Amino acid sequence: QKEVEQDPGPLSVPEGAIVSLNCTYSNSAFQYFMWYRQYSRKGPELLMYTYSSGNKEDGRFTAQVDKSSKYISLFIRDSQPSDSATYLCAMSAQSSASKIIFGSGTRLSIRP
Amino acid sequence: DTGVSQDPRHKITKRGQNVTFRCDPISEHNRLYWYRQTLGQGPEFLTYFQNEAQLEKSRLLSDRFSAERPKGSFSTLEIQRTEQGDSAMYLCASSPPRDYGYTFGSGTRLTVV
Repeated sequence: QKEVEQDPGPLSVPEGAIVSLNCTYSNSAFQYFMWYRQYSRKGPELLMYTYSSGNKEDGRFTAQVDKSSKYISLFIRDSQPSDSATYLCAMSAQSSASKIIFGSGTRLSIRP
Repeated sequence: DTGVSQDPRHKITKRGQNVTFRCDPISEHNRLYWYRQTLGQGPEFLTYFQNEAQLEKSRLLSDRFSAERPKGSFSTLEIQRTEQGDSAMYLCASSPPRDYGYTFGSGTRLTVV
């Protein structure tokens, strides 16, 4: 069993919809949780970073962490075609500046 | 461009040949990471450096792989006696000594034929 599980999709939604992306994990030592966005043939870029449980909002993006359920989510409001990409959840036991374990990524497509 | 730079962007090599990739991190970042990504998968950790010290190396990394970061600046990743299973995107990332996550480069795509 992988330490981090993520539905690979693909997920296709119409423009303007709310998107929900999720990951589960098995290692209770994880404390730092991140979401990265990766466009085709590019390296991942950091979208959101949270520590421990709770919510964090940044513009149209909201990250949620539920450590009791070992479950993290990323919500995208008012989705745009430019949001079409692969979204990777990632987590670390030590800090977000140490070794990070990534999920396999969810491919998201926003239909105009 | 002040981002993470990787060279070359693409490399095609014959099985059994040695290849070397270079990564230039963001100048003020003291940590540097190498990851490998295959199609449809997330990045897989290979190794990381803090300044010139290699702090951790994945058990998945065979003896054919070696990484260096002389003087704590750029880094090189060498693969000896390449195999077809080494075909992947090799990603380099760097981070400052604070909890702000990584900045990735665009990667080197290796194809072993």
